Amino acid sequence: GAGVSQSPSNKVTEKGKDVELRCDPISGHTALYWYRQSLGQGLEFLIYFQGNSAPDKSGLPSDRFSAERTGGSVSTLTIQRTQQEDSAVYLCASSLETGGVGAFFGQGTRLTVV
Amino acid sequence: GDSVTQMEGPVTLSEEAFLTINCTYTATGYPSLFWYVQYPGEGLQLLLKATKADDKGSNKGFEATYRKETTSFHLEKGSVQVSDSAVYFCALGFNKFYFGSGTKLNVKP
Repeated sequence: GAGVSQSPSNKVTEKGKDVELRCDPISGHTALYWYRQSLGQGLEFLIYFQGNSAPDKSGLPSDRFSAERTGGSVSTLTIQRTQQEDSAVYLCASSLETGGVGAFFGQGTRLTVV
Repeated sequence: GDSVTQMEGPVTLSEEAFLTINCTYTATGYPSLFWYVQYPGEGLQLLLKATKADDKGSNKGFEATYRKETTSFHLEKGSVQVSDSAVYFCALGFNKFYFGSGTKLNVKP
């Protein structure tokens, strides 16, 4: 597609439920990133995929968070047993190679845990 | 570790005023540097970038110069418009990106 596509755009879930957030990167981009933006805050790094290399998971806040990238393209971020503090906008970005060239961001998924 | 520090906002200016948003970085190597902009209700957009020391990135009248000696990448614009009202994020990139906390700019007519 023309840009990074994320779905759903909004998600309201009950505390304790699991959620899956999807990211479809720009075609041909080998690097894919997930960030989290809480209200009025900056961007918190979650996880980074680069080609077939092992992902950099150093930003995942707990073992309730996981992500996978299938076939080097679409990625899914899964949050298990959601908590209210997980409420945020989850942003996905992709780039041609590594961070040196800049990344293109999707519109984000706004997650609200009630 | 690698990090970015940018001036806190909000910054409020009148139309046609000169804009500077300060950004400094800490890095173990030689990263690329970026400014991203987030307009109200929209996603993050890459505004400009510089990949090595002394490079100047520019776009839409905005400029920033990669200063290795002062580890800075300040964003400037000579004459802001109301349409420039947004949140601006400074970032550095190696294999992943490190973002500053964002600076909200309000431009009044």
